[in-house]
Amino acid sequence: DTAVSQTPKYLVTQMGNDKSIKCEQNLGHDTMYWYKQDSKKFLKIMFSYNNKELIINETVPNRFSPKSPDKAHLNLHINSLELGDSAVYFCASSPLIVGSGRSVGEQYFGPGTRLTVT
Amino acid sequence: GDSVTQMEGPVTLSEEAFLTINCTYTATGYPSLFWYVQYPGEGLQLLLKATKADDKGSNKGFEATYRKETTSFHLEKGSVQVSDSAVYFCALRRPGTASKLTFGTGTRLQVTL
Repeated sequence: DTAVSQTPKYLVTQMGNDKSIKCEQNLGHDTMYWYKQDSKKFLKIMFSYNNKELIINETVPNRFSPKSPDKAHLNLHINSLELGDSAVYFCASSPLIVGSGRSVGEQYFGPGTRLTVT
Repeated sequence: GDSVTQMEGPVTLSEEAFLTINCTYTATGYPSLFWYVQYPGEGLQLLLKATKADDKGSNKGFEATYRKETTSFHLEKGSVQVSDSAVYFCALRRPGTASKLTFGTGTRLQVTL
């Protein structure tokens, strides 16, 4: 029933570890995203994939590596975790937007993964 | 680059009060505009949207009108309820295939009895 799901919901780990967050959507959407929400609630896009291809890669340390095995999944792997990586990470998906028209590709968000690095 | 500016919160209102949360934007071209709501402990949900000038988005008693002349998309509700307590995010998206959303910093609304 869930449209966009993420696992785990909570993740507590130590500095230097490597961890992954998984995201799956059952909406048949072509495009998936990862956003980071910091402690002040500020949301910023990290990555976007369209049909398994990377289309947005904002200024994110290369310790973060997204992987899309198929268009329904977009996982986020983080190497050598740092204290500043502590945040809530949201996955989202949307239908493909084609052309320059004003079609609205609303994004559907998952419930978030709260990552705490100690 | 694109940016969205929202009024700082928190906004504290009594139940049945009138709500306005201001949002202005900077973007080239004709972006689509959105309001998302985040209830405590949950992800973001689309509240309403508008795609061109003078469009009015509405949902659950909330409204916002796309004003190109003032580059604004203020959120309003005539009578808030305690259940409206949440963080509200204004966002824009420029047309195209790289459809990233640019968010404002969010405004926390607290409604009391």
